[in-house]
Amino acid sequence: AAGVIQSPRHLIKEKRETATLKCYPIPRHDTVYWYQQGPGQDPQFLISFYEKMQSDKGSIPDRFSAQQFSDYHSELNMSSLELGDSALYFCASSLESGGNTIYFGEGSWLTVV
Amino acid sequence: AQSVTQLDSHVSVSEGTPVLLRCNYSSSYSPSLFWYVQHPNKGLQLLLKYTSAATLVKGINGFEAEFKKSETSFHLTKPSAHMSDAAEYFCVVRGRGNTGTASKLTFGTGTRLQVTL
Repeated sequence: AAGVIQSPRHLIKEKRETATLKCYPIPRHDTVYWYQQGPGQDPQFLISFYEKMQSDKGSIPDRFSAQQFSDYHSELNMSSLELGDSALYFCASSLESGGNTIYFGEGSWLTVV
Repeated sequence: AQSVTQLDSHVSVSEGTPVLLRCNYSSSYSPSLFWYVQHPNKGLQLLLKYTSAATLVKGINGFEAEFKKSETSFHLTKPSAHMSDAAEYFCVVRGRGNTGTASKLTFGTGTRLQVTL
């Protein structure tokens, strides 16, 4: 069965550069979540989308933006990268109705040097 | 509003002994509850979920959890630990979203399970 696909899996950027992470949800899923997990930390909610509209925002810096496209894939754009942005970024997708399971991607490792 | 409390940040068991990872929740509505496992440098894998059907839920790798509404608990158990069970475990509550919005997910702070010989 298809899972949540994230790309790239690993990314190394320098400070002040820009990075874009992509998330391809499971087909027919209408909801996407983005999480950031720093080393040894719990996942922190960044932002969610439902039916291509932003639904909720968490602790997402102003330097970050995200959107969900017509084909339901989502992109997280991060600008003016800082060392503290180094983390594992998860995407999750779900079908909103009926308490359906939330499936997580393998994550994208971002290292800022 | 909803919240999740994982009562133990670290649990250490011997291989072959039972595992108990505790999770308490609060939610304004009947929530969906999930347990996920994360092995080092890996993503989150679903172990099991409760969505208002049977209160005793069986998951993968011999894990199960019992939803107890009166105690607002969803503890994760396994009769016999295996070395490969050593990982971080997250209890997650999915609350009802407003119409036209995504549900809110709330993570517990995680429990690190150590399995010793």
